[in-house]
Amino acid sequence: KNQVEQSPQSLIILEGKNCTLQCNYTVSPFSNLRWYKQDTGRGPVSLTIMTFSENTKSNGRYTATLDADTKQSSLHITASQLSDSASYICVVSHQTGANNLFFGTGTRLTVIP
Amino acid sequence: DTAVSQTPKYLVTQMGNDKSIKCEQNLGHDTMYWYKQDSKKFLKIMFSYNNKELIINETVPNRFSPKSPDKAHLNLHINSLELGDSAVYFCASSQGLAGGSYEQYFGPGTRLTVT
Repeated sequence: KNQVEQSPQSLIILEGKNCTLQCNYTVSPFSNLRWYKQDTGRGPVSLTIMTFSENTKSNGRYTATLDADTKQSSLHITASQLSDSASYICVVSHQTGANNLFFGTGTRLTVIP
Repeated sequence: DTAVSQTPKYLVTQMGNDKSIKCEQNLGHDTMYWYKQDSKKFLKIMFSYNNKELIINETVPNRFSPKSPDKAHLNLHINSLELGDSAVYFCASSQGLAGGSYEQYFGPGTRLTVT
């Protein structure tokens, strides 16, 4: 069964600290993996997209890693800011089928001053 | 300039009514989608529409029907609304099917409340 699991479910960190969010998946055959940021009351915004051959991708203070062998990804946030408070959603794409995106339930990050 | 827009932002209606949510994208994308996000914040795809081909998630009730008057619009019609339809509905678009590494752009969402 194709599934995407994220951990932790929620996280509270102090401003300026780093954190890492985890995503494990069973989707196969794998096509790509995305991380989205969703601010409260807004639609998700793409942070990174990684294919099978990529094992790291950065977008500013956000760095995503991918281990396609163990089917794990992480999103590392450096020097967190209050504006990083949001839900972070991992989405894994299957190689076949049109509606082939599998969504994780997200990690709710709260950055406090 | 807003890339993907939805109207209305909030919609409160009674059970049994029929309602529509509009979506427009000005990105020139070929594919548009509708998602439902429930109270637990889980996003679930409902439809994708690409070059006049509609792909339906088989779990979506047939009370829901997307209609595309042109490439830039994909509206969502909901008949006989039920309490369980209360959720936030997101429209999205991409150049090609999102499974093929195309970037997806989401609208701001429409919060539907059925009373």
